[in-house]
Amino acid sequence: GAVVSQHPSRVICKSGTSVKIECRSLDFQATTMFWYRQFPKQSLMLMATSNEGSKATYEQGVEKDKFLINHASLTLSTLTVTSAHPEDSSFYICSASPVAGQETQYFGPGTRLLVL
Amino acid sequence: DAKTTQPNSMESNEEEPVHLPCNHSTISGTDYIHWYRQLPSQGPEYVIHGLTSNVNNRMASLAIAEDRKSSTLILHRATLRDAAVYYCILRGFGGSQGNLIFGKGTKLSVKP
Repeated sequence: GAVVSQHPSRVICKSGTSVKIECRSLDFQATTMFWYRQFPKQSLMLMATSNEGSKATYEQGVEKDKFLINHASLTLSTLTVTSAHPEDSSFYICSASPVAGQETQYFGPGTRLLVL
Repeated sequence: DAKTTQPNSMESNEEEPVHLPCNHSTISGTDYIHWYRQLPSQGPEYVIHGLTSNVNNRMASLAIAEDRKSSTLILHRATLRDAAVYYCILRGFGGSQGNLIFGKGTKLSVKP
């Protein structure tokens, strides 16, 4: 089946630093990738939709200058949390839809970010 | 946005069938009904989806009401590994209609 990977799986950083999270579709090409954030005991919240070769579309309330998204190829999207603060600590999850079929999204295993 | 309503939690015994309900009274004609599940500390996993007809796959069955205002995810024999949060999501076509908007889901507990 379709596999999506994320790297790193967990990261701890100091407040004020930037953190980059990679999302890769391993066995399929993804025109569209999605980034979600999940706080403890809450549901997933869509942050942005990333289309290959174009600018990401951010959901209301998500700062595009703080959460930089790059979708440079059909198999890779990156999320950079700039100047991270403790309130950015969360579980970040990406998903991807195959080019050939839009009906199913395949999710990565998530990246747990802790900002000290 | 079309929304879904699910019970917050359900319990099941191992080896028994589980019926997870979902109400979606404002569903539009082009909305697909998707089910995903999320195990603790993992990303969501696709379970099944359908439009009008009942669907079966190796993981589960999806029963869709004739008026499409409700659906039921059926796990035929629950195992301990099925303990997860199950999300029922409506998904349309095109642009933001294709986005998955997660509600709170149903937390399924499976007792041995």
